[in-house]
Amino acid sequence: AQTVTQSQPEMSVQEAETVTLSCTYDTSESDYYLFWYKQPPSRQMILVIRQEAYKQQNATENRFSVNFQKAAKSFSLKISDSQLGDAAMYFCAYRSANAGGTSYGKLTFGQGTILTVHP
Amino acid sequence: NAGVTQTPKFQVLKTGQSMTLQCAQDMNHEYMSWYRQDPGMGLRLIHYSVGAGITDQGEVPNGYNVSRSTTEDFPLRLLSAAPSQTSVYFCASGGISYNSPLHFGNGTRLTVT
Repeated sequence: AQTVTQSQPEMSVQEAETVTLSCTYDTSESDYYLFWYKQPPSRQMILVIRQEAYKQQNATENRFSVNFQKAAKSFSLKISDSQLGDAAMYFCAYRSANAGGTSYGKLTFGQGTILTVHP
Repeated sequence: NAGVTQTPKFQVLKTGQSMTLQCAQDMNHEYMSWYRQDPGMGLRLIHYSVGAGITDQGEVPNGYNVSRSTTEDFPLRLLSAAPSQTSVYFCASGGISYNSPLHFGNGTRLTVT
């Protein structure tokens, strides 16, 4: 079974600075998707960015980018020019490409990292 | 665009009571699922469905039932609530393909006393 680990329960950053959130995962599969979700105090789950395992190029979405290291099974999220609105819980998640079985379609989540942004 | 609609937003139950959490999506997604969120544990899969009439268990299914009579709806039933089921519940839907992101409802905070 796949596992996802976020080793930083809490992180903080000054407004306009850059912060990196860590995520590692364990899998024996070669094809899968990785996601970062943001959960603000409103509780809504918002997709931030996604990365396919077969793509070597790191995904970027505006101020958000990832550092995907497949061999190391690492998938960190970098937030540049941090804004007050970035304050939230961030979840890393894994989705298997294999159809069938109890893992089918399942997102496996890490424990989450609470990000605080200081003005 | 409604997306994924969950009701209610908050609920308090007494031990032993039953209730149904409603979930509806208007995006014609084949895949629907229920997660529970507990502090320090991320989100864990309760049950999922890959189409009308098809459901299966996730990693924490005990104490919960689901059914999928239509593509749009995927209710979660608590048969006899227990304090251990105090949690925040999320319904999520998406395409069957593994590269399809899941779209989440706004969650239900359930307290069982």
